[in-house]
Amino acid sequence: KQEVTQIPAALSVPEGENLVLNCSFTDSAIYNLQWFRQDPGKGLTSLLLIQSSQREQTSGRLNASLDKSSGRSTLYIAASQPGDSATYLCAVRHRNFNKFYFGSGTKLNVKP
Amino acid sequence: NAGVMQNPRHLVRRRGQEARLRCSPMKGHSHVYWYRQLPEEGLKFMVYLQKENIIDESGMPKERFSAEFPKEGPSILRIQQVVRGDSAAYFCASSPPTVTDTQYFGPGTRLTVL
Repeated sequence: KQEVTQIPAALSVPEGENLVLNCSFTDSAIYNLQWFRQDPGKGLTSLLLIQSSQREQTSGRLNASLDKSSGRSTLYIAASQPGDSATYLCAVRHRNFNKFYFGSGTKLNVKP
Repeated sequence: NAGVMQNPRHLVRRRGQEARLRCSPMKGHSHVYWYRQLPEEGLKFMVYLQKENIIDESGMPKERFSAEFPKEGPSILRIQQVVRGDSAAYFCASSPPTVTDTQYFGPGTRLTVL
């Protein structure tokens, strides 16, 4: 069974800091891994999608890496801003099961 | 192309009543997924449907919960005789048949059971 873990559960940083969010998964048989952002009381916004054959994806100040063999992904946020405050969810799509397995998220607070 | 639509956005039910949650996938998407999010937790898979077929319902509670995706109209998640523990956010996602594509999520329905 696929287990997805996100560390830390919560993070508070001053504005301008670079930060790293971690995601680990137990079964490397995945199609892809995706990072989402969720604002309080809202739905999910897709940030980055990494296919199993890829090592990383970048979008603006965000960079996500994938090491499938070790079951790890990191989301790097450069020059954090208060508007980045949200919960960040990692999800993997298992190769044999057409569904996402989600971590519990990292709740990020960027202080002005 | 409108995104995934869910309604209602908020639903309040008393214990013992029925809850019906609707999901309209994106145009051209034939696959629908339902997830449940309890407070302060991640999303948990419930069921995966294609038109008129349930493909994987391994995450659905065995009793009181059912889902359908008819040939015409939205997908429906139905919860009978709701209990307080059913209070959660229910998200629907849709995707085209290609498994390397992402799933596109709706805004969710927040169910509160009094």
